[in-house]
Amino acid sequence: GQNIDQPTEMTATEGAIVQINCTYQTSGFNGLFWYQQHAGEAPTFLSYNVLDGLEEKGRFSSFLSRSKGYSYLLLKELQMKDSASYLCAVMDSNYQLIWGAGTKLIIKP
Amino acid sequence: DTAVSQTPKYLVTQMGNDKSIKCEQNLGHDTMYWYKQDSKKFLKIMFSYNNKELIINETVPNRFSPKSPDKAHLNLHINSLELGDSAVYFCASSPTRDAPAFEQFFGPGTRLTVL
Repeated sequence: GQNIDQPTEMTATEGAIVQINCTYQTSGFNGLFWYQQHAGEAPTFLSYNVLDGLEEKGRFSSFLSRSKGYSYLLLKELQMKDSASYLCAVMDSNYQLIWGAGTKLIIKP
Repeated sequence: DTAVSQTPKYLVTQMGNDKSIKCEQNLGHDTMYWYKQDSKKFLKIMFSYNNKELIINETVPNRFSPKSPDKAHLNLHINSLELGDSAVYFCASSPTRDAPAFEQFFGPGTRLTVL
């Protein structure tokens, strides 16, 4: 079966760095997405990785290792507005997105 | 300008009723989706349409019927609503289905509560 695993909840301090991990097992691989979802709102796109390595975009970076079925999202200089759920999703061989349950990130002052 | 819009935002109804949720995108995208997000926050694909044609139909009760009058609209009709249908339903769109680098744009969601 297809499976995406990520921690249910994480807590971090304002100004710090946090890494949210995602492991996956899917039928084929056409890329991995990270989305941010604030409570009561729609998911919004953060990043896309299809090749191994690190993609940096401002305070957010995303890493992929296809051989390990592993990705992480790195958030630097945390701000209170970063409190949200972070969803990992993998596009399988049928171009269908398989979603993880999301990691709820709580930022404390 | 709203890219992907859904109506209504909230829907409260009794078991056994029939209801519809409407979705429209003004992005000129070819592909549209319906997702269900339950209380555990899993996003599950229900349907996907590409240029008005159904391309994904996951294991969803046949009480759920999508309708795409044109490629900018994908509506969801639900018959004989059940308690387990309570969830947030998201509509989304992407430029095309076969180019994975394209992100999906989500509507604001419709929170359906079945009493």
